Amino acid sequence: AQSVTQLGSHVSVSEGALVLLRCNYSSSVPPYLFWYVQYPNQGLQLLLKYTSAATLVKGINGFEAEFKKSETSFHLTKPSAHMSDAAEYFCAVRAPGTASKLTFGTGTRLQVTL
Amino acid sequence: EAGVTQFPSHSVIEKGQTVTLRCDPISGHDNLYWYRRVMGKEIKFLLHFVKESKQDESGMPNNRFLAERTGGTYSTLKVQPAELEDSGVYFCASSTTQGGGGVNEQFFGPGTRLTVL
Repeated sequence: AQSVTQLGSHVSVSEGALVLLRCNYSSSVPPYLFWYVQYPNQGLQLLLKYTSAATLVKGINGFEAEFKKSETSFHLTKPSAHMSDAAEYFCAVRAPGTASKLTFGTGTRLQVTL
Repeated sequence: EAGVTQFPSHSVIEKGQTVTLRCDPISGHDNLYWYRRVMGKEIKFLLHFVKESKQDESGMPNNRFLAERTGGTYSTLKVQPAELEDSGVYFCASSTTQGGGGVNEQFFGPGTRLTVL
């Protein structure tokens, strides 16, 4: 069984500030981990993924995430927020090696202020 | 190349009525998934097709929900009769089937927002 916990349903940062969105997972097997972003009126878009290779994963739009097995975490970061980063972000886990279902967290809405 | 499309984008119906949602996956994608997000909660898996076969339907809430994928192309999700708790956003996703344990990224559609009054 797998589960994901995203701490903070809403996060607000100033433009240019560090973005940190938290994700902790639970999995009975070594997981694949994902971050998706949803902009208004659009579908979910894959930001980045961890698939048991490098623990620091770089994604699109300057985002990155680090897999920490000891902490069962996969937090998403971006050094400098931009207004266009305002969206809802979802962390998800999946069993490896299969085309199986994604298990999502509850999402974090990121607000970027001037 | 067209992405995953869903129709309608919004649907408002009354309790007891029937609604059918449609998903067109990316051409050539054998895997098709349905997910649902109830307001304020997580996105939850409903079911997974591989071509026209149901691979996993463990997330289907009850027998008021019927999913089909005739011919292994587009899929429909029918809710009959709809209840208030069925309101939410229904997402469809598709992916390829790769050999060798590939990651098989799931590509999502924009969702159908269903409101049951």
